[in-house]
Amino acid sequence: AQTVTQSQPEMSVQEAETVTLSCTYDTSESNYYLFWYKQPPSRQMILVIRQEAYKQQNATENRFSVNFQKAAKSFSLKISDSQLGDTAMYFCAFKNSGGGGADGLTFGKGTHLIIQP
Amino acid sequence: DGGITQSPKYLFRKEGQNVTLSCEQNLNHDAMYWYRQDPGQGLRLIYYSQIVNDFQKGDIAEGYSVSREKKESFPLTVTSAQKNPTAFYLCASRITGVGQPQHFGDGTRLSIL
Repeated sequence: AQTVTQSQPEMSVQEAETVTLSCTYDTSESNYYLFWYKQPPSRQMILVIRQEAYKQQNATENRFSVNFQKAAKSFSLKISDSQLGDTAMYFCAFKNSGGGGADGLTFGKGTHLIIQP
Repeated sequence: DGGITQSPKYLFRKEGQNVTLSCEQNLNHDAMYWYRQDPGQGLRLIYYSQIVNDFQKGDIAEGYSVSREKKESFPLTVTSAQKNPTAFYLCASRITGVGQPQHFGDGTRLSIL
């Protein structure tokens, strides 16, 4: 079974700073997908970014980018020019691409990110 | 607007009572999912359905049941066998295709009276 570990329960940075959230995972699969989701106080889950394991190029979405290190099984999220609206819980999630096992996502426990004005 | 609608937003259950959480989507997605979220925890998969009239157990299916009679609807019943049902429940759906992301509803908060 896959596991996802987010080692930072909470982080706090000043507005406009850059912050990196860490995520490591454990799998025996060679092909899979990784996601970062954001959960603001409204509790809606919002997709931030997606990475396909067979693509070496790191995914980017505006101020959000990832550092994907497949050999190290690491998938960190970098938020540049942080804004007050970035304050939220951030979840790292894993999905294998194979046919075996459950079809759902495996989530980490989350990192609570607080952006200070 | 297309999306996933969960209702009610808040739900209270008495001891020994079954309750049903609604999840409806108009995104024309084939696959639908139910997750449970506890404080300080990530989401855990309860049940999922990849096609109408078929569904599979996830990691924590005990005490829950589902049905998938229509593509748009995937209701979750929390039975009296679920001894610790207080949690936040999230429904998700996704389009067919490996690696396609899941999209989530706004959730239902279930509490015990």
